Amino acid sequence: QIQLVQSGPELKKPGESVKLSCKASGYTFTDYAINWVKEAPGHGLKWMGWINTQTRKPTHADDFKERFVFSLETSASTAYLQINNLNIDDTSTYFCTRGKFWDSFDYWGQGVMVTVSS
Amino acid sequence: DIVMTQSPSSLAVSAGETVTINCKSSQSLLYSGNQKSYLAWYQQKPGQSPKLLIYWASTRQSGVPDRFIGSGSGTDFTLTINNVQAEDLAIYYCQHYYDTPYTFGAGTKLELK
Repeated sequence: QIQLVQSGPELKKPGESVKLSCKASGYTFTDYAINWVKEAPGHGLKWMGWINTQTRKPTHADDFKERFVFSLETSASTAYLQINNLNIDDTSTYFCTRGKFWDSFDYWGQGVMVTVSS
Repeated sequence: DIVMTQSPSSLAVSAGETVTINCKSSQSLLYSGNQKSYLAWYQQKPGQSPKLLIYWASTRQSGVPDRFIGSGSGTDFTLTINNVQAEDLAIYYCQHYYDTPYTFGAGTKLELK
């Protein structure tokens, strides 16, 4: 069955970096883009961007251009989100989700909680 | 960026009632090339990831009960839930995928009366 399995919760200090993983299974990894969605406490869902799993080209939403890196390990059907120079506002749950271009998101990872605290 | 405005922000209902959630986009989501509106609805239960309910504004995702009905076109959309069940208590989000950045509505929290 189709699954997106994300890595475990993270506790980090301001200024540190974190790299989250999203392992896909049950489908051909390169048939769908991987999108990243942020859910900050009490702030709903925000699309961060996507990565084209065929060309490896990332596209970032404006608020996520500076410190956010999308990458792939195609041989392992895994996508990564790295957040550099963490700050308190990065405390959120991050979801990976698959979707074809200009299409809805039909499968989601379970989410990973990142807590940034001094 | 396309702004998605959802209403109401919360709704208290009794089991068996019908509820309507509205979503309005700041520009049309209807693509003339295929006459489809690029609008989806998601359900998110506490502690879970969002689940796709409706895409292309009115197409129900496989396995979604037929009491969930999406309607609308262009800029105005509605999610109707007939015969609400206790298991439907969740936050519902609309989302456009017409162009990047994709944006979500602020969500509608469905609670039991």
